[in-house]
Amino acid sequence: GEEVAQTPKHLVRGEGQKAKLYCAPIKGHSYVFWYQQVLKNEFKFLISFQNENVFDETGMPKERFSAKCLPNSPCSLEIQATKLEDSAVYFCASSQRQTNQPQHFGDGTRLSIL
Amino acid sequence: AQSVSQHNHHVILSEAASLELGCNYSYGGTVNLFWYVQYPGQHLQLLLKYFSGDPLVKGIKGFEAEFIKSKFSFNLRKPSVQWSDTAEYFCAVIPSTGTASKLTFGTGTRLQVTL
Repeated sequence: GEEVAQTPKHLVRGEGQKAKLYCAPIKGHSYVFWYQQVLKNEFKFLISFQNENVFDETGMPKERFSAKCLPNSPCSLEIQATKLEDSAVYFCASSQRQTNQPQHFGDGTRLSIL
Repeated sequence: AQSVSQHNHHVILSEAASLELGCNYSYGGTVNLFWYVQYPGQHLQLLLKYFSGDPLVKGIKGFEAEFIKSKFSFNLRKPSVQWSDTAEYFCAVIPSTGTASKLTFGTGTRLQVTL
């Protein structure tokens, strides 16, 4: 597609439950990025993929966060045993090449942990 | 590691006023620079980008930005704002060389345009 598609738009989970977010990048884009936006600012980079391979995971909390990009499937970001502090909007972005093309963002998934 | 500073946290302007939002970055090498806009409840949209060449870049909706290398700045400007420009504006950088690929964002500037 021509847009980055993220589902669901809003996800509500009780503390301790699992949350799984999905992202379909723009067709033809090789790179996928996940960012966490807390309190309407402060974008924090989480992880990036080059096709199905992890490219940069320096921002990923190691313990409860995991992500995948499998062939012919939407990319996913999964949070195990969610905590209140995980409440945020999670944005996915995709780009054609590593640094010389802008990243295009999806609408985000608002995760609310109760 | 690179960092981005946006000193104006909240700007209130009347319609037709001129706009300048500051953006300064810190990084030892060459960078690509971006301004994104986030309208209420929406995703980030690219306003403009600088990779190389003419340091004055023009973007969508009448916005422009000037890259001043000596000042490590990439300020956003618009001669006459409209009510519809009310949004959050984010400056972002990415190293133009090397393996780093993540965008580093500033904390954003909230622009409120009054009628």
